[in-house]
Amino acid sequence: GQNIDQPTEMTATEGAIVQINCTYQTSGFNGLFWYQQHAGEAPTFLSYNVLDGLEEKGRFSSFLSRSKGYSYLLLKELQMKDSASYLCAATDSNYQLIWGAGTKLIIKP
Amino acid sequence: ETGVTQTPRHLVMGMTNKKSLKCEQHLGHNAMYWYKQSAKKPLELMFVYSLEERVENNSVPSRFSPECPNSSHLFLHLHTLQPEDSALYLCASSQDRGSASYEQYFGPGTRLTVT
Repeated sequence: GQNIDQPTEMTATEGAIVQINCTYQTSGFNGLFWYQQHAGEAPTFLSYNVLDGLEEKGRFSSFLSRSKGYSYLLLKELQMKDSASYLCAATDSNYQLIWGAGTKLIIKP
Repeated sequence: ETGVTQTPRHLVMGMTNKKSLKCEQHLGHNAMYWYKQSAKKPLELMFVYSLEERVENNSVPSRFSPECPNSSHLFLHLHTLQPEDSALYLCASSQDRGSASYEQYFGPGTRLTVT
C-alpha cells in the first residue's frame, strides 16, 4: 500500500533549528512536496523535490533521498510565526498526491 | 480577488438537509480538487477535475456530488450527510494534472458540522 509517515508533533525553541522527517512508500514516485498549514488556514506550498539532495529556500530547506524513501524539512532561525502543521506529500506514478497526517510544530519562546 | 476562494467558511447542517459548497479559482488553472481534512488524519482526495471533466472519484459516498460548470468554479453538493462527515473541506487548484511539479493552491476551506 501507499503510506507517508511523519511525526505527529514536535516542539522547538525560538531561534533554534528543527528538522521534520518524512518517509514514504508509493507506487512509483514523481516527487515530494512540503506544505505549511497554520491553524484554521489553507495549506501553502513550501517546496518540491524530485532529485536527490538539498534544496535551500531562505530559512527553509528540504532534502530528498529517493533510494531511502526519505525526506526532511529543515527550518532555521525559528520564529513564533513558524508554529504550524507541516504536511509531507509524495506524488505517485499516477501523479496523485499521497499525504501524510502532518507534523504540528510548536515554537516556544 | 485572487487565489482560491471558498464559501461558506462555516456550515452547520442537519442530516436531512441539502447544501452546497462553492469554490472559485482566479489563477487560470486547469485542474481542481476537493479534499476532506479530519483531525490528525491525512488529507483525503475526494474528486479531481481536469478541464471540467471528472478524472477521479476516490470511492466517495454518493451523498457527496461534485459539479464543475467551468474551469474556474467547483461545487460540492451535500445531502443526507452523517455525523462522521463533519470535517474541513478544502478546495485546491493546479496548473494541470499529470505533471508532478505543479503545486496545488488551496482555498481556506469550509468547516462542516453535521448534527
